[in-house]
Amino acid sequence: SAVISQKPSRDICQRGTSLTIQCQVDSQVTMMFWYRQQPGQSLTLIATANQGSEATYESGFVIDKFPISRPNLTFSTLTVSNMSPEDSSIYLCSVEGQASTDTQYFGPGTRLTVL
Amino acid sequence: GENVEQHPSTLSVQEGDSAVIKCTYSDSASNYFPWYKQELGKRPQLIIDIRSNVGEKKDQRIAVTLNKTAKHFSLHITETQPEDSAVYFCAASKDTGTASKLTFGTGTRLQVTL
Repeated sequence: SAVISQKPSRDICQRGTSLTIQCQVDSQVTMMFWYRQQPGQSLTLIATANQGSEATYESGFVIDKFPISRPNLTFSTLTVSNMSPEDSSIYLCSVEGQASTDTQYFGPGTRLTVL
Repeated sequence: GENVEQHPSTLSVQEGDSAVIKCTYSDSASNYFPWYKQELGKRPQLIIDIRSNVGEKKDQRIAVTLNKTAKHFSLHITETQPEDSAVYFCAASKDTGTASKLTFGTGTRLQVTL
């Protein structure tokens, strides 16, 4: 399966600031996804990052709060804007499998703490 | 949209015993059901998956069963070992022709005691 990396691995940020998280894959993939995992909770899909077009957001998530870029088939960024303590979570990117497009593999995650 | 329920939320078993985790889904069009294992501080790892055209799948000590009529699927771990201790998530998705979006269950914390 593809090797997926995320930067930063963790960060502590002040309320009202923004953080951009990067997701890099070692091979070209069509679909990339961004998830949020709040402390002790399950994974919730934020959006699907589409290459060459705007991301597709799930209910409850908006582009102004979570802008996403997907400039090519190996890279995507998620920005968490105007952060509040409620945004403290682990943010994970995932990519579809090469053998099966409905299988997803996850990056290591970015642990965000907002003070 | 899809809703996935998962039970139990916590499960403690003795080493060598079996563990069973159950999930139900709401969308009858869902056709892909993966299971992920997440150790503390680590990413979710895919451990087994099943598609709607199959009723059961095994991989060494783990197996998954699917009942499409009842819309539920289960993870079975036999001969549990301490390294099986983790949080397990079930998920469901359907082929929409573009992206297959996963809906996750709430997770089961499995503890295997010596």
